[in-house]
Amino acid sequence: NAGVMQNPRHLVRRRGQEARLRCSPMKGHSHVYWYRQLPEEGLKFMVYLQKENIIDESGMPKERFSAEFPKEGPSILRIQQVVRGDSAAYFCASSGIINSGNTIYFGEGSWLTVV
Amino acid sequence: DQQVKQNSPSLSVQEGRISILNCDYTNSMFDYFLWYKKYPAEGPTFLISISSIKDKNEDGRFTVFLNKSAKHLSLHIVPSQPGDSAVYFCAASAGNNNDMRFGAGTRLTVKP
Repeated sequence: NAGVMQNPRHLVRRRGQEARLRCSPMKGHSHVYWYRQLPEEGLKFMVYLQKENIIDESGMPKERFSAEFPKEGPSILRIQQVVRGDSAAYFCASSGIINSGNTIYFGEGSWLTVV
Repeated sequence: DQQVKQNSPSLSVQEGRISILNCDYTNSMFDYFLWYKKYPAEGPTFLISISSIKDKNEDGRFTVFLNKSAKHLSLHIVPSQPGDSAVYFCAASAGNNNDMRFGAGTRLTVKP
């Protein structure tokens, strides 16, 4: 009964490199969300995806960030040319059928450190 | 735009007493509210929720109260236990979950 699985748990990148964070939703869930938590701040919505579709990316920075959720395999959050300000905890969440009152379940997070 | 606000960054309570965590929201379209609990280096875990058609939902030691007219909800934990020490996030959504908004969190410390 695996929950939302994220990897890597910790990732260190030098400025200018690329970071890829992976998320496998809970079994039976087809909706994936990415949130970012900066130090001393709350959870900020980034993007909501269904299989092969980006539904809402209103929280994604306009440049360098992209997300996908292919037909097969995990969802990927990609950050190109990372900068120090990208250092944060990135949480993935998933849910099943969407209707009012559904709950989303979080993974344990991926901590990105940019040095 | 901070649509969900938790104005108290921290709260300290004695074991056995009641903990009350507060949350305010500005978007009148929100119709589903949740509380998540987060330990350091872990993901948030779902705690309790309430629909806008209710004003109270209880689950063991945890009760959530919703005051729609004041756009305010609160989480009551009684009796508080040291294991309840964590950061608590309030969240709200409108109609679906594609834009669930979170507050900044309140760090609860329960002292033995």
